[in-house]
Amino acid sequence: GPKVLQIPSHQIIDMGQMVTLNCDPVSNHLYFYWYKQILGQQMEFLVNFYNGKVMEKSKLFKDQFSVERPDGSYFTLKIQPTALEDSAVYFCASSFNWGVYAEQFFGPGTRLTVL
Amino acid sequence: GEQVEQLPSILRVQEGSSASINCTYENSASNYFPWYKQEPGENPKLIIDIRSNMERKQTQGLIVLLDKKAKRFSLHITDTQPGDSAMYFCAATPTTSSGQKLVFGQGTILKVYL
Repeated sequence: GPKVLQIPSHQIIDMGQMVTLNCDPVSNHLYFYWYKQILGQQMEFLVNFYNGKVMEKSKLFKDQFSVERPDGSYFTLKIQPTALEDSAVYFCASSFNWGVYAEQFFGPGTRLTVL
Repeated sequence: GEQVEQLPSILRVQEGSSASINCTYENSASNYFPWYKQEPGENPKLIIDIRSNMERKQTQGLIVLLDKKAKRFSLHITDTQPGDSAMYFCAATPTTSSGQKLVFGQGTILKVYL
């Protein structure tokens, strides 16, 4: 079936550094999402994105976060600068449709560890 | 609120028996409830969903029930097999969202033993 890929699978960085998480969505999908999962807790919505714009973001999507998808390449989540509380697994998702019933396809996640 | 609570966090069942996972939600406007299965190292995958205009949906060995009055929905896996061992997440979509924003439960680790 359709697959979302995420690169890298693990990333370890020092607090204050910049990190970019990469997502390769399903090829014909137009809508993109990021979720954050702290160890032992549920996945929480960060942001959704369409046509070069953030459509909605949660309060977890701090000013240090940004997303983009330049020229139809990877959909990226950039954190600059990183903080200890950014340590989590970040899941990317994509969907073909927009709206309440659109199925979101998830990647396997990137485990980010901020030291 | 938009919280989704999921129980139990861990569920061990014998092969061939049924397994049930329960979720409650806060936002009465929620109208879409998907269930995802995640195997170790794999992507969470949609296995079944239910919309608010239904009370019950069944596909293969999966049954989902929705009680809108109680703001409760549940997943029932009949005749469990070792391949059903995985993490399961329930989710709800609040209609107040501009698009689709899934609010997830905490997850249930299901272990099916022989």
